[in-house]
Order: sequence, then structure tokens, then C-alpha cells
Amino acid sequence: DADVTQTPRNRITKTGKRIMLECSQTKGHDRMYWYRQDPGLGLRLIYYSFDVKDINKGEISDGYSVSRQAQAKFSLSLESAIPNQTALYFCATSALTGTGELFFGEGSRLTVL
Amino acid sequence: KQEVTQIPAALSVPEGENLVLNCSFTDSAIYNLQWFRQDPGKGLTSLLLIQSSQREQTSGRLNASLDKSSGRSTLYIAASQPGDSATYLCAASDSGGYQKVTFGTGTKLQVIP
Repeated sequence: DADVTQTPRNRITKTGKRIMLECSQTKGHDRMYWYRQDPGLGLRLIYYSFDVKDINKGEISDGYSVSRQAQAKFSLSLESAIPNQTALYFCATSALTGTGELFFGEGSRLTVL
Repeated sequence: KQEVTQIPAALSVPEGENLVLNCSFTDSAIYNLQWFRQDPGKGLTSLLLIQSSQREQTSGRLNASLDKSSGRSTLYIAASQPGDSATYLCAASDSGGYQKVTFGTGTKLQVIP
């Protein structure tokens, strides 16, 4: 099993629908992140969390919200999806101390019609 | 603000060739630099991480170097194989408490049999 698991892997939805992407990890890491990837733009940070009670906005948080339900679980919600939120979404983790190495999930491809 | 650039955006080489992928960054005050591989529609797989105090890291046919003074990192792939075909991304982590990570947009490598 993957160390960082994302569900669903693919989702097609309509404008205005609420969507939740979930991430769970077995690496025991405190830090968790949500990124989105768009062609030609690289990965951009949406939200990050250093522990269950610490959640911070990234560079593109508008239109998104997150919940850190436990050390191992970090979910991303789109309250009212719009077409320009169509993208590949990644969850990542890193340890609180050490090298800062990032570990990624397999991604969730979201299409908003 | 850190900017990370990868040139070229795409590269095609014959099998067996040694090759170098380039990554440049604007702010030399980095905590680490990480190289990733991404297959189409997949997540990012960590290849090598170089901490700011290091000059290079090696793993099998891969060697990554770091020159902070010039703002450059290179990923050297020896004896390339068709299985090396993928997009390679570099990411620079800053030295602040959050260790903000800035990604390049990647070099898409095709190794032709």
C-alpha cells in the first residue's frame, strides 16, 4: 500500500457542487500539504498543516477549505466547484524535523464541467 | 520571492546517452533542493534531495549537484534508458520556519530506443 493515499483518484462533477478530496498517510509525518498542478504552471500550494491544530493558507487558497481530522488525515474541500478548479490535486507530507523531504500521493484528477 | 526555472521544457535523446537536466533558482538561501520524477497522470516520486550544506547526491545512475552561489542544480542521468522517459521536476525549499517549497515546471524527457 502507498504511504500517502488519495481518494478519489478521478472525479467529474458539475459547477456549483461540493467536492471533498481525502488524503491519508502512514508515514507518521506531522506536516501535510495540498497542491494543485496545472499544465505550464507547476505545482502551487493551496493549504498546509503542521499538526492537527495548525492549518495555514497557501498561495491559492481562495475557493478551498481544509480539515485536519487526525495526524494521518487531511482533506480538501471545494465548497462550490467552478470550471477553473479543474486540475490535478496532490497531497504531500514531510517530517517535522530532518531533511524536509516531501512525499506525494498519486494525485486526484478533478474535472469541473 | 523564489523563482525556479527548468530549461529546456522538453528533451529527446537516444537510448544510452548521458544527459544533464538543469534547474536554476533565484534565492540562494535554500534549505534543500529536491528532484522528482513524474510519470503521466501520476504522482511525484522523490529521486534525490540535496541539503544546503551538501554539494551532490548519488543514487544508482542518477547524480544531482548543487551550487548555491550560482543558483544552479543539475541532475545527471547516466546511460539513459527508455524507462527514464518522464517529466523531471526540481523544487527548492527556503530556509524559513515554514520551509516554503517552490517548484519548477519540469523538463519532459523522452529516451528513444
